[in-house]
Amino acid sequence: KAGVTQTPRYLIKTRGQQVTLSCSPISGHRSVSWYQQTPGQGLQFLFEYFSETQRNKGNFPGRFSGRQFSNSRSEMNVSTLELGDSALYLCASSLDGTPRSTEAFFGQGTRLTVV
Amino acid sequence: DQQVKQNSPSLSVQEGRISILNCDYTNSMFDYFLWYKKYPAEGPTFLISISSIKDKNEDGRFTVFLNKSAKHLSLHIVPSQPGDSAVYFCAAQGGSEKLVFGKGTKLTVNP
Repeated sequence: KAGVTQTPRYLIKTRGQQVTLSCSPISGHRSVSWYQQTPGQGLQFLFEYFSETQRNKGNFPGRFSGRQFSNSRSEMNVSTLELGDSALYLCASSLDGTPRSTEAFFGQGTRLTVV
Repeated sequence: DQQVKQNSPSLSVQEGRISILNCDYTNSMFDYFLWYKKYPAEGPTFLISISSIKDKNEDGRFTVFLNKSAKHLSLHIVPSQPGDSAVYFCAAQGGSEKLVFGKGTKLTVNP
C-alpha cells in the first residue's frame, strides 16, 4: 500500500511569491493534516482537513491556506512568501483524524526555501 | 504558550544502555499521548502511544510511562541501539482536537 506522497520534495521561491504544496494521503484515509517544522520549533500544526472540510486550524496567518479534494488529496498554499516561511512542511494522513483509532502517517515533507 | 514541552534538545547514550526521553504537558484536557521518531529527510513515524487511562504501555524495546498528576510522560528505550539515533517528538491530544507536538529531542546512541 502506497504511503503518503508529498510533492515537490524541494522548492526554492523568492520573497513575495506564492507556493502550492501537494499531499496525497494513503488510500482510504480521509483526514489530512499539515505541519510546519522549523529548527527549534518542532512541528507546528497548520490545519486539518476531513472530507473536504477544514476541521481544525492552527495559529498561522491567513497567508497560509489549504483545501482538500473529493479524492482526499490536499493542497496547501502560502501567499506573499516571507523568509521565515522557510521550513519543512509535513503532511499527515489518517483514517478519521483521531489518533486513538489509528496513528497518523507522515509524508517525507516538502523542504521550502525562501530567498 | 507551549502546551507540550521537551526540555532536553539532545541526549547522548551508549549502545546497550537505557535512553530516557522526557515530555511535560500543561493542558489537563490532553488524554492521549504519542511518540514519533524522525530521521533526517524523512517524515515522522509513529512509535508508541498511551491513553490517559493507563500509566504504562510497552512495545518491544520501547516503553512509555505516563504520570498524570505530574503531567509528565517518558519514553524508555532498552537496550538502545545506534539505529535509534533520531529526533523523538512527543505529541498530545485532547478529545477531537489537533495533535500538539513538542519541539523534539535529538537522541544519539554511540556504538
